[in-house]
Amino acid sequence: EADIYQTPRYLVIGTGKKITLECSQTMGHDKMYWYQQDPGMELHLIHYSYGVNSTEKGDLSSESTVSRIRTEHFPLTLESARPSHTSQYLCASSASLGATEAFFGQGTRLTVV
Amino acid sequence: QKEVEQNSGPLSVPEGAIASLNCTYSDRGSQSFFWYRQYSGKSPELIMSIYSNGDKEDGRFTAQLNKASQYVSLLIRDSQPSDSATYLCASAGGYNFNKFYFGSGTKLNVKP
Repeated sequence: EADIYQTPRYLVIGTGKKITLECSQTMGHDKMYWYQQDPGMELHLIHYSYGVNSTEKGDLSSESTVSRIRTEHFPLTLESARPSHTSQYLCASSASLGATEAFFGQGTRLTVV
Repeated sequence: QKEVEQNSGPLSVPEGAIASLNCTYSDRGSQSFFWYRQYSGKSPELIMSIYSNGDKEDGRFTAQLNKASQYVSLLIRDSQPSDSATYLCASAGGYNFNKFYFGSGTKLNVKP
């Protein structure tokens, strides 16, 4: 079944640790996105990609980095986690043909202690 | 000015009533519009997509688009307590073709 997967679902980690949040999709979509969302607040785009080897920063400044080496995979990395990074991170993808809908993964809830 | 504006609510309706959710967008070149439902602590789930002027119906949901007024709405008929969630309006295909623009969401409460 075509889908979009995020791992881990929940992560509690200490300050200063390096972390990578995984996002994979099996829908063959060229466009992928990372959003950050605090509880009860709006979505903020932090990174996006419209194909392999293309990445762009989003509207919200973020200390994270992303890579797009394979179409189906769009990991997000924090080199040194801080408590201010505590949030929910949502990955999404959409087809490149036309301005079609985005589908979201289940999200990763990150807590930095 | 945000690309997509929504009233944050909360919007409270009794069970069985029609809930009307609205949003406006600023990029006249936007081509596609979407409504997402987001339960607390969960990820957004696509409810409706609409690409041309007029109404589009799917079960209890009707999306309406008026490009001249740059206005999108979502009607939920026979509202149920399970419809209580935050509804996000989004646009795409405008001057930055690769990006989606989300509103801040309207919180809907359906009272039994």
